[in-house]
Amino acid sequence: DSGVTQTPKHLITATGQRVTLRCSPRSGDLSVYWYQQSLDQGLQFLIQYYNGEERAKGNILERFSAQQFPDLHSELNLSSLELGDSALYFCASSPSGWGTNTGELFFGEGSRLTVL
Amino acid sequence: GQQLNQSPQSMFIQEGEDVSMNCTSSSIFNTWLWYKQDPGEGPVLLIALYKAGELTSNGRLTAQFGITRKDSFLNISASIPSDVGIYFCAGQLYNNNDMRFGAGTRLTVKP
Repeated sequence: DSGVTQTPKHLITATGQRVTLRCSPRSGDLSVYWYQQSLDQGLQFLIQYYNGEERAKGNILERFSAQQFPDLHSELNLSSLELGDSALYFCASSPSGWGTNTGELFFGEGSRLTVL
Repeated sequence: GQQLNQSPQSMFIQEGEDVSMNCTSSSIFNTWLWYKQDPGEGPVLLIALYKAGELTSNGRLTAQFGITRKDSFLNISASIPSDVGIYFCAGQLYNNNDMRFGAGTRLTVKP
């Protein structure tokens, strides 16, 4: 158990809809990262938040947005969903930013999104 | 330029065989990490490397931080069925500390 909690574990929705994925980082971790993993693909970095502020942005579509709340949990919002958005979405946390002394990220179990 | 090239993409081996996989890039990294993802789970850190030339072991796993700081390899000796999964390399870029992940190596071990 990494200590990172993601909900929901599975989500099935239709094209054009909007969903919200939730992540609770490990206790004490200030940074939250979101990654997308499509079928048989690697981990594509979407976005990072540190202590409530956006720190880095990767290949995140304009239809997607995220935020980190004062209690440090984070939400990833996916709107106008398309078939190609079907993927595993991982949240990871770390004590501070990527410039930590270890660089290790702690991953949740992921939220599997299926768009029909 | 800042992408990680991880190879091989997949491997099918017999139980007991040794395994080797690597990541290369044209960019310089100050940290290399190797993660394993079991089916239905999130990636979990196996080994972390922080110095060029560093060779680190974790049980049957051995990883090295390339001397040029642009590559790393992971070896698994005497593979067992529970080694099955996807192995990811990750590197922390030297210039901005951004983390990059390789595309993964999918390992299948036949008993």
